[in-house]
Formats: sequence, C-alpha cells, structure tokens
Amino acid sequence: EIVLTQSPGTLSLSPGERATLSCRASQSLNSNYLAWYQQKPGQAPRFLIFGASSRATGIPDRFSGSGSGTDFTLTISRLEPEDFAVYYCQRYDSSSWTFGQGTKVEIK
Amino acid sequence: EVQLLESGGGLVQPGGSLRLSCAASGFTFSTYAMYWVRQAPGKGLEWVSSISTSGGSTYYADSVKGRFTISRDNSKNTLYLQMNSLRAEDTAVYFCARKCGDCYSFDSWGQGTLVTVSS
Repeated sequence: EIVLTQSPGTLSLSPGERATLSCRASQSLNSNYLAWYQQKPGQAPRFLIFGASSRATGIPDRFSGSGSGTDFTLTISRLEPEDFAVYYCQRYDSSSWTFGQGTKVEIK
Repeated sequence: EVQLLESGGGLVQPGGSLRLSCAASGFTFSTYAMYWVRQAPGKGLEWVSSISTSGGSTYYADSVKGRFTISRDNSKNTLYLQMNSLRAEDTAVYFCARKCGDCYSFDSWGQGTLVTVSS
C-alpha cells in the first residue's frame, strides 16, 4: 500500500508570503492519481488540484500543484487570509484512496 | 448547483447499527460514482467506501470491510451507508462525496454527519 507523508506538519506564515507544501509517496505513483484538498475548521474539504497539477473549477491561480514519481508539491504563491487552513494530499490506487495526514497553514 | 446532504448520524452504543443517507441534487446522480469519507475528531481524512454508477461495484477500506455496506438508489438520488457492529473507533464525521468526472478525486462534498459510538 502506498503511504503519503506530508510535510511540514504546520507551516507558520504571514499573508502575502509563499507557501510550499510537500507530499511524498512511499512508492512511485501515477501523477494522474494525485489530488489536493483544503479544509477549514467545521467545513467539508474543498477540491483544489487533480492530476497533480490541474486546478479544479473555480480555484484561484495562486494555487498550483507540481511533481511526479514520489514527490509532489502544492504551492500557494501569495497567501490570502482565507487560505489559512489544513491541506491534504490524496492518492488513488487499485480502487482505494489514501490521504496524507495533512499540513496546517497557520497565521504567523 | 451540486448539493449533497447527509443525514442519519447520531449516538449509538458499541455493537449497534446505523444507516447514513446522502441526498444528492443539482446533477445527474446516476452517472457519478460516489464515496463515503470519514474524519475522526481532530484527525485526518479516511476513505471508507466507494460505489459505481449502477451500484454493481463496491469497495471498502479494510477498517470497515465486513461491517459496512454502501448502496445507492438512483431513482431517489440517494446514497447510503449501512454501518453494523459499530466500534468506538468508528466515531467520526461521515462525508459523502462525488467522483470528479474524468479524474480520480472527489470534486463535491456534503457537510457531513456525526456518528458517535459510545456507551
């Protein structure tokens, strides 16, 4: 089973700064199967990125995804106040889905 | 607008049963695979189960296999999760989600329903 490890656990940044979140897979995976979600307290997850680098409908272009093989990255180019949240990566493999443990982006 | 509305959560004793429902609207329900995902208090997301458009194919996480059953009624635009032999570790908010059309992700989510397993 492919395990996803996200780092760092918490990222403390100020509005306007750049955020770089990492998601590392225990085995190489098809980049088509890698997605990212944002979740705020008390809310459902929000779909951000699919296929490692494609933005979902309505997602601002300050969000970008990249990577291949075992290393994937979510970048938020300039943090807006509404971007402070927990971010999860997710992978698909053989009719099952696994999430990373999450990275919390908090206001510094 | 896509809407998914979960219901059926509540407090249940260990060993008990509960059936969750997810009412879908704003899209052609019968043409989308659907999922259940849960989140224990203060924890991350865990995929629970999946079902194909017709209901003919179902998949489960090892943690719930043999205890939970996913189903759907396309005539009622509703997704279900029958949960039996509930354990304390099943305590979580349960979300239903829709498959992204051509990708392997979940593009729309309900707001969730809380299941608490406790004596």
